This record gives sequence, C-alpha cells and structure tokens, in this order.
Amino acid sequence: AQSVSQHNHHVILSEAASLELGCNYSYGGTVNLFWYVQYPGQHLQLLLKYFSGDPLVKGIKGFEAEFIKSKFSFNLRKPSVQWSDTAEYFCAVSRDTGRRALTFGSGTRLQVQP
Amino acid sequence: DTGVSQDPRHKITKRGQNVTFRCDPISEHNRLYWYRQTLGQGPEFLTYFQNEAQLEKSRLLSDRFSAERPKGSFSTLEIQRTEQGDSAMYLCASSLVTQVGFDEQFFGPGTRLTVL
Repeated sequence: AQSVSQHNHHVILSEAASLELGCNYSYGGTVNLFWYVQYPGQHLQLLLKYFSGDPLVKGIKGFEAEFIKSKFSFNLRKPSVQWSDTAEYFCAVSRDTGRRALTFGSGTRLQVQP
Repeated sequence: DTGVSQDPRHKITKRGQNVTFRCDPISEHNRLYWYRQTLGQGPEFLTYFQNEAQLEKSRLLSDRFSAERPKGSFSTLEIQRTEQGDSAMYLCASSLVTQVGFDEQFFGPGTRLTVL
C-alpha cells in the first residue's frame, strides 16, 4: 500500500522567507505526485503535479517541486513567501494506472506573518 | 461555476439517523471519487466510480455506507445509522481519465457532517 509522510506539521515564516516543505512516499511502482493547497475557507486546489519527464516541476503562484526518485521525495519549494500563501499544503501520490485514487499526507499548515 | 459541487455544505444529525450527500462532478468527467477528511488529517479514499460502475471501496467504507452514481452523472453517498465517529468532511472529486495522459482530480467544497 502507498503512504505519504509530511514532516512539517506547522510552519511559521515571515514574508519573503524561503519555503521548503518535505514529502516522502512509499510505493514500489510508478507514481504520480501532487501538491494540493487549501486556503482558509476554500476547497482543495491543485498546486502542481508530476507525471513524467523533468523532475523539477513548476506550479502556480511561484511554487515548484523536485522529484527525487532515489529518495522517494517530492519536496515543495518557494523562494519568497507572501502572506497570501498562508494555507494548508497536502502532498499526495497516486499509482500510474488503475485506481489512481490519491493517498494524501497529513498536511502542513503554513502561516506567513507580514 | 462549472466546478465540482456538493450538497449540502453542512449537515448536523443525531446519532442513528441516516444522511445522504450529493456530488455533481464536472460534466465531461468520467471518474468520480469520494474521500473523507478528519481534523488534522489529509483526505482518505473511500470509493470511486468509472462512469456508473463502482470499481473499488476502501476498507474505511463500512456496510453502513453506500454510494451510487446512476447514469454516470451525479453521485450520492448515504450513511445509515450514523455514529459520532462518522463526523468528518466528505469530499468529492472528479477527473477525466483517458488511455493516454494523466488523471487530475478536481475537488468540490465538501460536506461537513456533525453527528451529535
């Protein structure tokens, strides 16, 4: 079975600080990787995704993530956070074929202080 | 708005009552997923449909839970004899799966269930 670990449960940063959120997964086969964001009072939105090709993927709002297959990791980064990035961030993985249901991590709450 | 919609957004019920939630996916999407999210956790997979066929149910989905997707359009999730442990946010997502290409799931706003 797949599992996803997010190491940081709550992160507090000042505006303009750099962000890196860790995500590790366990699954032996080919996977698709995602980061979802949930802003306060809103539903889950896709931030970025990796299916194949360049392991460095760019998403919306200046976010990027790097897939390191040997480390089973898919860390999310942003060079300079803004107050509006305050949200909960979820890493998720799905199998490449078949069910494709998402397995989520427990989430990281990011609080950006102005 | 052509996104995924869910109804109701909030439901408060007494233990032992039955509840039903509805999800309307994006119109051309052939897959529909149900997830459950409890406080402090990420969403957990419950079940999914490919068109009208329910292809898999998670072990989380006890016999008190049933889901349907008649005609491959909207879906309903029913919980019979609710228990306090059923209190959670129930999320619906839809996607368009093709033979080639990826499966991007779009989420609805969720139905928050509180069982008293």
